[in-house]
Amino acid sequence: DIVMTQSPLSLPVTPGEPASISCRSSQSLLHGNGAYYLDWYVQKPGQPPQLVIHLTSNRASGVPDRFSGSRSGTDFTLKISRVEADDVGVYYCMQILQTPVTFGQGTRLEIK
Amino acid sequence: EEQLVQSGGGLVQPGESLKLSCAASGFSLSGSDIHWVRQASGKGLEWIGRIKTKDENYVTAYISSVLGRFTLSRDDSKNTAFLKMDSLRTEDTAVYYCTRRPHPMSFDVWGQGTVVAVSS
Repeated sequence: DIVMTQSPLSLPVTPGEPASISCRSSQSLLHGNGAYYLDWYVQKPGQPPQLVIHLTSNRASGVPDRFSGSRSGTDFTLKISRVEADDVGVYYCMQILQTPVTFGQGTRLEIK
Repeated sequence: EEQLVQSGGGLVQPGESLKLSCAASGFSLSGSDIHWVRQASGKGLEWIGRIKTKDENYVTAYISSVLGRFTLSRDDSKNTAFLKMDSLRTEDTAVYYCTRRPHPMSFDVWGQGTVVAVSS
């Protein structure tokens, strides 16, 4: 199974400041079509998860351009350029290259 | 609006069975793989399985801990997917979510979640 390791697990951020969450996969997530099969989701309290970034760097519909995703090797990063109060929640990376699909442990973003 | 509406959770004793439903509204389920994810209280997300489309022969995949106990199915004519859970264990207690994957997109629509509690 592919292991996904996130850091940090807790991320207090001042509104207006940037935030960055890292996710490392235990093996390459490169698909034969050239895409890296890594998504980012956020789960807000009492809600199901919602898609933020798919295939490493593509923002989901309605996601503001403050959010961006990138990759270096097997290290993936979700960046928020300027954190807003509505961004609080638990962020998960997820690989969907192969089954079993696996998630990172989650990073709890909170407002200072 | 595209939605997945879940039903069928509840409280059961160890060894008993439950069947969860996931009904699509506002779109046709037939074009998407359907995945199921669960979340124990205060814990992270755990993928438990998926069922592919008719074009891919409804192929299923499961995590090892539910293999042989859980069964995924779908009835595209009723726009509904199902998760049948047999021989339930206390460690299966969680909120269960269904979600769709319309290739090449990812999990863009999720059900509201349904609680499964296994306790004697």
